[in-house]
Amino acid sequence: GENVEQHPSTLSVQEGDSAVIKCTYSDSASNYFPWYKQELGKRPQLIIDIRSNVGEKKDQRIAVTLNKTAKHFSLHITETQPEDSAVYFCALLGGATNKLIFGTGTLLAVQP
Amino acid sequence: EAQVTQNPRYLITVTGKKLTVTCSQNMNHEYMSWYRQDPGLGLRQIYYSMNVEVTDKGDVPEGYKVSRKEKRNFPLILESPSPNQTSLYFCASSLLNSPYNEQFFGPGTRLTVL
Repeated sequence: GENVEQHPSTLSVQEGDSAVIKCTYSDSASNYFPWYKQELGKRPQLIIDIRSNVGEKKDQRIAVTLNKTAKHFSLHITETQPEDSAVYFCALLGGATNKLIFGTGTLLAVQP
Repeated sequence: EAQVTQNPRYLITVTGKKLTVTCSQNMNHEYMSWYRQDPGLGLRQIYYSMNVEVTDKGDVPEGYKVSRKEKRNFPLILESPSPNQTSLYFCASSLLNSPYNEQFFGPGTRLTVL
């Protein structure tokens, strides 16, 4: 079945630095790629998403890029702040189903 | 307020004692799903439902049952819980034919099976 690999599993950065999380996938029919943020003890929440007809999308300090040829997509966070500390999950929607496949998550720690 | 609710939020039980975790959404979503979250394994889908009376297995369905008798409710049933089902469980819902397909998650249920 469809699979998505997420790297790194943990990431520690200094406040103000950038953070990049990358996910790779195998199903070329995947057409929707969301990113979810899960703060400690909370539920996952959508922070940004991108569809397959777009190469990049930006929302303030957060951006997502998609390379359909290489089958990978990445989350970029600039000017990181302590409140960005959380677990981030990439996901994709495969083929004709409404089934979201999640990555294994990245624990981002922003050191003040 | 549009939301997904789950009950109970915390549950400690013993092996073999049947339990049900309820999930309800008030957004008229067709799609509902159950996930379990374990350290290092991310969110794994247990069961999902595309609409009333339509359910299907996810990636880790063994030991679980679900039902979808009404659009708003999607309970998760553990007929005979075992310690390896100790986990954090999330219910989620979304529109089926939305261009955005955002899934809204419930607050989670932390289950411990002794």
